[in-house]
Amino acid sequence: DSGVTQTPKHLITATGQRVTLRCSPRSGDLSVYWYQQSLDQGLQFLIQYYNGEERAKGNILERFSAQQFPDLHSELNLSSLELGDSALYFCASSVDSNSQETQYFGPGTRLLVL
Amino acid sequence: GENVEQHPSTLSVQEGDSAVIKCTYSDSASNYFPWYKQELGKGPQLIIDIRSNVGEKKDQRIAVTLNKTAKHFSLHITETQPEDSAVYFCASTGFQKLVFGTGTRLLVSP
Repeated sequence: DSGVTQTPKHLITATGQRVTLRCSPRSGDLSVYWYQQSLDQGLQFLIQYYNGEERAKGNILERFSAQQFPDLHSELNLSSLELGDSALYFCASSVDSNSQETQYFGPGTRLLVL
Repeated sequence: GENVEQHPSTLSVQEGDSAVIKCTYSDSASNYFPWYKQELGKGPQLIIDIRSNVGEKKDQRIAVTLNKTAKHFSLHITETQPEDSAVYFCASTGFQKLVFGTGTRLLVSP
């Protein structure tokens, strides 16, 4: 158990809908990262937040957004969902914002868009 | 841009054999190289990492080697066991983020 929690574990929705994925980092970690894992794409970095502020951005679509709240939990919002958004979404956390810091991954949310 | 190539994509070994997974990175500024193990239905779990100031690191049956000149790093698992079966990902630091390899599916047969 990494100490990172994610909810829900599974999510099934329809195209065009909007969903919110939630992540709670390990106690004491200030950085939260979001990744997308699909069968043919491996682990793709989406976005990083550090202590409430956006720190780094990866291949995140404009339809997707995220935020980190004062209690350090984070939410990833996916809107206007398409079939191709079906994937595993992982959250990871680390103590600091440096990319050399060890990242600890949560169990993931499996999103299926029908 | 930043890229990490990982080989092989699949690896089948007999229990007790050794397994080696190799990665090549493109960013010469990379200085942190973690390895993650992902079991079915779970998130990636860090198993070992190495920083650019060392060439090798070992933890029981797992070792990682780094050749900064060639921009190669490798994961070595000795005396493999069925519970080592999983997908293994290498990663290296890119600009502001970790860049992951495409994964190696390791199957250890009893």
